[in-house]
Amino acid sequence: AQKVTQAQTEISVVEKEDVTLDCVYETRDTTYYLFWYKQPPSGELVFLIRRNSFDEQNEISGRYSWNFQKSTSSFNFTITASQVVDSAVYFCALSEGGGSQGNLIFGKGTKLSVKP
Amino acid sequence: SAVISQKPSRDICQRGTSLTIQCQVDSQVTMMFWYRQQPGQSLTLIATANQGSEATYESGFVIDKFPISRPNLTFSTLTVSNMSPEDSSIYLCSVEIGLEIDTQYFGPGTRLTVL
Repeated sequence: AQKVTQAQTEISVVEKEDVTLDCVYETRDTTYYLFWYKQPPSGELVFLIRRNSFDEQNEISGRYSWNFQKSTSSFNFTITASQVVDSAVYFCALSEGGGSQGNLIFGKGTKLSVKP
Repeated sequence: SAVISQKPSRDICQRGTSLTIQCQVDSQVTMMFWYRQQPGQSLTLIATANQGSEATYESGFVIDKFPISRPNLTFSTLTVSNMSPEDSSIYLCSVEIGLEIDTQYFGPGTRLTVL
């Protein structure tokens, strides 16, 4: 069965520190998608990135980077030089199969607090 | 992406009443979904809102409790019926847009408190 594990419940860092949020997934499908979403205190869920199972290239977007490793079933997210505005709950999610499946399986989320 | 709005943004309701939440998208979308996020928890899919037909519900969710409508490709409603305090959650709609199949964009959510 599919599952997403975010072992870190809460992380607290000081501004400008680098921080990595871990995500480990389980799936029997060979085709799947992985996602990261950010939920700031206001509550909306903001899409950050999608990665398909055939693309293991790491990605960098500004201060954000993602490390996808199929060998360890992990899709970790690193924020470099963290800022107070990065404070939020971050969710990793999995979608199985090709095409629209609808059901995103979310991890329990990691609450990141960045202190000035 | 698309602009997704939800109404109301929050509400406080009495036990036994019902609340209808609206989700409006500024462009036609292929798929629309409804999720629930209980306090301090992750998101759980309630159902897929199908245009012109009955919604497809996930295990543990039933139409009598969460009736859903989707009259067109830009609008959907979720009703939370006969509410109890356990229904206090954030309810979010999400959409898949055209070419970006499998990427869901979320509305701002409706924060519901049931007394």
